[in-house]
Amino acid sequence: AQTVTQSQPEMSVQEAETVTLSCTYDTSENNYYLFWYKQPPSRQMILVIRQEAYKQQNATENRFSVNFQKAAKSFSLKISDSQLGDTAMYFCAFSFSGGYNKLIFGAGTRLAVHP
Amino acid sequence: NAGVTQTPKFRVLKTGQSMTLLCAQDMNHEYMYWYRQDPGMGLRLIHYSVGEGTTAKGEVPDGYNVSRLKKQNFLLGLESAAPSQTSVYFCASSGTGRVYGYTFGSGTRLTVV
Repeated sequence: AQTVTQSQPEMSVQEAETVTLSCTYDTSENNYYLFWYKQPPSRQMILVIRQEAYKQQNATENRFSVNFQKAAKSFSLKISDSQLGDTAMYFCAFSFSGGYNKLIFGAGTRLAVHP
Repeated sequence: NAGVTQTPKFRVLKTGQSMTLLCAQDMNHEYMYWYRQDPGMGLRLIHYSVGEGTTAKGEVPDGYNVSRLKKQNFLLGLESAAPSQTSVYFCASSGTGRVYGYTFGSGTRLTVV
């Protein structure tokens, strides 16, 4: 069975600093997708970044970037120039490339950005 | 705004009562999902649907039933609520083809006392 592990239940960072959230996953599949979702106190789930496993280039979205290590089954999220609005729960998630697009989530990392 | 709408946003039930959570999407997505979110456990899939008239069990289906009579709606029912079903429930939808991730509703906080 596929699993997603986020080993850091909580993290904190100073405003304008850089923070990296860890995620590892386990699968025997070769084609899949990985995601980071942000859940602020409003409870809304917001897609932060998406990575296709067949692409070697790491995905970036403005201040957010990933370090995708396929052989190590690692998918970490780097947030640069952290802002107070980045305070949220962050979930790593995995989906097969075929089938019904079921997302498998990690337990989440609660990130606090301090002024 | 286009997206996924969940109703209600909050609800308190007594043990043994029943209720239905409604999810509606206006993006013509084929796939719809119900997840529950519990502290320290992330989101877990309850049931999902791959099209109108179809449903399938997810990871934690016990105590829940679902129906998808219309493509745009996906209903989650609790026939006899239990305190263990206290949770935040999320509906989501996605299209076919390339996987772009889900569009989520804003969640329903359910408390069973």
